Amino acid sequence: NAGVTQTPKFQVLKTGQSMTLQCAQDMNHEYMSWYRQDPGMGLRLIHYSVGAGITDQGEVPNGYNVSRSTTEDFPLRLLSAAPSQTSVYFCASRAGVQETQYFGPGTRLLVL
Amino acid sequence: GENVEQHPSTLSVQEGDSAVIKCTYSDSASNYFPWYKQELGKGPQLIIDIRSNVGEKKDQRIAVTLNKTAKHFSLHITETQPEDSAVYFCAASKRNNDMRFGAGTRLTVKP
Repeated sequence: NAGVTQTPKFQVLKTGQSMTLQCAQDMNHEYMSWYRQDPGMGLRLIHYSVGAGITDQGEVPNGYNVSRSTTEDFPLRLLSAAPSQTSVYFCASRAGVQETQYFGPGTRLLVL
Repeated sequence: GENVEQHPSTLSVQEGDSAVIKCTYSDSASNYFPWYKQELGKGPQLIIDIRSNVGEKKDQRIAVTLNKTAKHFSLHITETQPEDSAVYFCAASKRNNDMRFGAGTRLTVKP
């Protein structure tokens, strides 16, 4: 089991560029989520999903889109990158609402 | 939406002492309360969790208590060791996979 994998590990973007952060899990988990982590602010929920075809907005969804076409994959799209989106992004998955949530290694994003 | 507050933001203890971190939540619909440990450059890892129908749970040196009426829960680490030094996060989750985190506590255990 690879667990939760994220690509890329690092990315530098210019303001206005778009990109997709990839997330995949091989544990057949229905629940997946995206978080961003900024210094001193903990993790903030961007979007989450409870199964293929079902997504919902979290605490800070503006500027991000998600889709869930398969159980395994949950990509996060930045539509037009802004410096305020400079952060570390974590993807996570779990089998159910009261089950252990596993995090990926994170993607460090710098927007210039 | 749910709001999770965590205190203190930093905590320094001597090796062998106990450490306590406290969290409060606002949404009574939250029913799952995990605690995570995050080391530098890594993703958070679950260390213990508690469900809303349980008041206390213990795993070796780590324990968590939950007071649903007061909407607060706490992490207790006994006999602290230098390897316990890390950032700890509490979280509260509802049935729909909406999980919110506290701002974190940086724990330093001095040898």
